[in-house]
Amino acid sequence: GIQVEQSPPDLILQEGANSTLRCNFSDSVNNLQWFHQNPWGQLINLFYIPSGTKQNGRLSATTVATERYSLLYISSSQTTDSGVYFCAALYNFNKFYFGSGTKLNVKP
Amino acid sequence: DSGVTQTPKHLITATGQRVTLRCSPRSGDLSVYWYQQSLDQGLQFLIQYYNGEERAKGNILERFSAQQFPDLHSELNLSSLELGDSALYFCASSVDDGSQYFGPGTRLTVT
Repeated sequence: GIQVEQSPPDLILQEGANSTLRCNFSDSVNNLQWFHQNPWGQLINLFYIPSGTKQNGRLSATTVATERYSLLYISSSQTTDSGVYFCAALYNFNKFYFGSGTKLNVKP
Repeated sequence: DSGVTQTPKHLITATGQRVTLRCSPRSGDLSVYWYQQSLDQGLQFLIQYYNGEERAKGNILERFSAQQFPDLHSELNLSSLELGDSALYFCASSVDDGSQYFGPGTRLTVT
């Protein structure tokens, strides 16, 4: 299998601040996804991003597959951004590996 | 609302029992995935079905089994339950191996 490591494990922000979350993976992967788990437990797909950069409103993500990492940028954070952010990698076309998550707390 | 439905929302059962969790994917999605989320193990991939066939297998115990039916809904069967099986079980669906959309989860408590 592979190792998927996320950093930082915990992040506290003041509303309006920007942040960068990182996901490192130990081997080449077939795809990479970012998810947000809100405080009520719902998992929401943010990005499907095996390579390159995508943007969706205040969120954007970049995956550099050759260097085995992905970044999730959150700009002008809001309290509704609080929760846990997971990255997940598909390896060898047959197994998904999740990182342990970054827990984000945005304070008003 | 992701369009993926899971039933039941909560389930409380005793050790040694067997339960069935049900998932209905988004309309048009052929792939269904099952995940387990527990406090000590985090999110773990269990199994994927694509159009009725098993496509990928993760850390699924032998006491657990799943299937996908012709109407594309899926069931996850958990047997000989142990206290450590208490967790949130998520189902997700996708068109192929692309973006996954998660259901609300089933919270299983084994007493």
